[in-house]
Amino acid sequence: GESVGLHLPTLSVQEGDNSIINCAYSNSASDYFIWYKQESGKGPQFIIDIRSNMDKRQGQRVTVLLNKTVKHLSLQIAATQPGDSAVYFCAEPFNNDMRFGAGTRLTVKP
Amino acid sequence: NAGVTQTPKFQVLKTGQSMTLQCAQDMNHEYMSWYRQDPGMGLRLIHYSVGAGITDQGEVPNGYNVSRSTTEDFPLRLLSAAPSQTSVYFCASSPRQPPYEQYFGPGTRLTVT
Repeated sequence: GESVGLHLPTLSVQEGDNSIINCAYSNSASDYFIWYKQESGKGPQFIIDIRSNMDKRQGQRVTVLLNKTVKHLSLQIAATQPGDSAVYFCAEPFNNDMRFGAGTRLTVKP
Repeated sequence: NAGVTQTPKFQVLKTGQSMTLQCAQDMNHEYMSWYRQDPGMGLRLIHYSVGAGITDQGEVPNGYNVSRSTTEDFPLRLLSAAPSQTSVYFCASSPRQPPYEQYFGPGTRLTVT
């Protein structure tokens, strides 16, 4: 079946740098994507979403980019802070379900 | 609002034991779901409910039962625990059925020996 995947399992960045977390999807009919953040010992927390009629959506310090041509999604975090250290998931609704990628662990170095 | 609450936070069971993981939300959300999270596999849907009295199976329902007698509560029952059910369990709720953002509880870490 089709699934949502992530390019890298870990990402380490310097505090203050920008972070880019990538996600590839295989279902070209997908029309909605969500990014979640999961801190250690906690449940996932919604960050931002994007619909397929958009290429870009911005939130507070975060931007999601959608490239439908290559079926690629990215989450950009500006001026990464220690509090951004977490696992980030992209998720794709599928029927009555949400399909989650395995996640990318972001570590912020002071 | 407390959001989505789960109890217990940790649990150890012996193979063959049964137990119920509790989940409650105070946001009047119609949609609730249970996921399990295993290392390297992301979140997988066990069961979900689109409203009181209505439940359905997700991707990995075997060994689990659910019921939804009220809008607020959505307990998950393990009928006869197996080591393969060792995992972290998350309950989530949403104002409507996906595609829509979901609100997750803090999780229950279950170990079956």
